[in-house]
Amino acid sequence: GNSVTQMEGPVTLSEEAFLTINCTYTATGYPSLFWYVQYPGEGLQLLLKATKADDKGSNKGFEATYRKETTSFHLEKGSVQVSDSAVYFCALSANAGKSTFGDGTTLTVKP
Amino acid sequence: DTEVTQTPKHLVMGMTNKKSLKCEQHMGHRAMYWYKQKAKKPPELMFVYSYEKLSINESVPSRFSPECPNSSLLNLHLHALQPEDSALYLCASSREAGETYEQYFGPGTRLTVT
Repeated sequence: GNSVTQMEGPVTLSEEAFLTINCTYTATGYPSLFWYVQYPGEGLQLLLKATKADDKGSNKGFEATYRKETTSFHLEKGSVQVSDSAVYFCALSANAGKSTFGDGTTLTVKP
Repeated sequence: DTEVTQTPKHLVMGMTNKKSLKCEQHMGHRAMYWYKQKAKKPPELMFVYSYEKLSINESVPSRFSPECPNSSLLNLHLHALQPEDSALYLCASSREAGETYEQYFGPGTRLTVT
């Protein structure tokens, strides 16, 4: 079956530090890949997505590239802010809208 | 309007009660989803509706009963729940139930079963 493995957290960074959250996946077929973010007390919000190999998704300074050869979709941001503190979920969607989520990585950014 | 709304925000119910959770979207999406999320865990898919028909049921106990009265509304009827059913219940929608479509999530209903 499909699976997503995320870098274990929690991750604590100082403001303006570089962020990487690793995500690798196992899937049959050609899944789409997503990063969602969840702020405390809220639902998930789409951060970015990529639907085919070598696509780069980007939004709000975050980027991730769909790497089929390494089955990875690592999230990066060059300079994090306190407001980026949240839980980040990597997810894949392979068929019929059935998404598989990673366990989530909690990011805390300190001023 | 890219919003998915859910009511109520919080619900406390006893194990013998019957209650319903409601979800609404006006984005013209034809796929809607129910997820259950426990603290510090990812969402777990419960049900998928595609064009108002139930397309996926992830072996959810019958004490959870979904209903999709029309393309904008999704309900989850609850009956005889157990304390372990306490969780955040998230509704989501997407343009269609296909792999390329991102899901839009509501804020969730925080359910406590006593």
